[in-house]
Amino acid sequence: DAGVIQSPRHEVTEMGQEVTLRCKPISGHDYLFWYRQTMMRGLELLIYFNNNVPIDDSGMPEDRFSAKMPNASFSTLKIQPSEPRDSAVYFCASGKRGEKLFFGSGTQLSVL
Amino acid sequence: KQEVTQIPAALSVPEGENLVLNCSFTDSAIYNLQWFRQDPGKGLTSLLLIQSSQREQTSGRLNASLDKSSGRSTLYIAASQPGDSATYLCAVRPSTAGNKLTFGGGTRVLVKP
Repeated sequence: DAGVIQSPRHEVTEMGQEVTLRCKPISGHDYLFWYRQTMMRGLELLIYFNNNVPIDDSGMPEDRFSAKMPNASFSTLKIQPSEPRDSAVYFCASGKRGEKLFFGSGTQLSVL
Repeated sequence: KQEVTQIPAALSVPEGENLVLNCSFTDSAIYNLQWFRQDPGKGLTSLLLIQSSQREQTSGRLNASLDKSSGRSTLYIAASQPGDSATYLCAVRPSTAGNKLTFGGGTRVLVKP
């Protein structure tokens, strides 16, 4: 398996623009997580899905953030409109309950 | 609310020395605990997973122990090498419903040749 695949690897955009981050989890994994990592706040869980259903989105900062998982092999995290404070590395991770979690390589987002 | 702490935040050792990394958590009602490694600009790689019923897990030069009652885990890396330089994070999963991990802030390790 190729592991968790995220795209794009880097994204530079201007404030106010819409940003869409993509994730393909490992086949067979029924949990998918979106994390954000910054120097100041470390790793923060934004939202996670179980069997394509959002279970906990309490970490989503505000209404500008939305996430979808239309099927077991694809998820998106959308920011609209983007702001400079959204600049961070966004990670997608997948796993099975009680087992190791596998992370993608992340998307480095810079909002100017 | 579960809080996970890793002290120190950074550590520098000469090559060959054993590494001891600490992780503490406030709520002992955990399902399991994982140790991860993160290289600069990369994602996290799971190193070891310890179930709440276990006391330790070993993989090669790595050994992780878990003392649930005192809220502590320790990662030992024997005979450190420059290639072990990275940030090490621990994360706990609650025993309640759900599959949410709470991460510590990590310990940045530098192994000097």
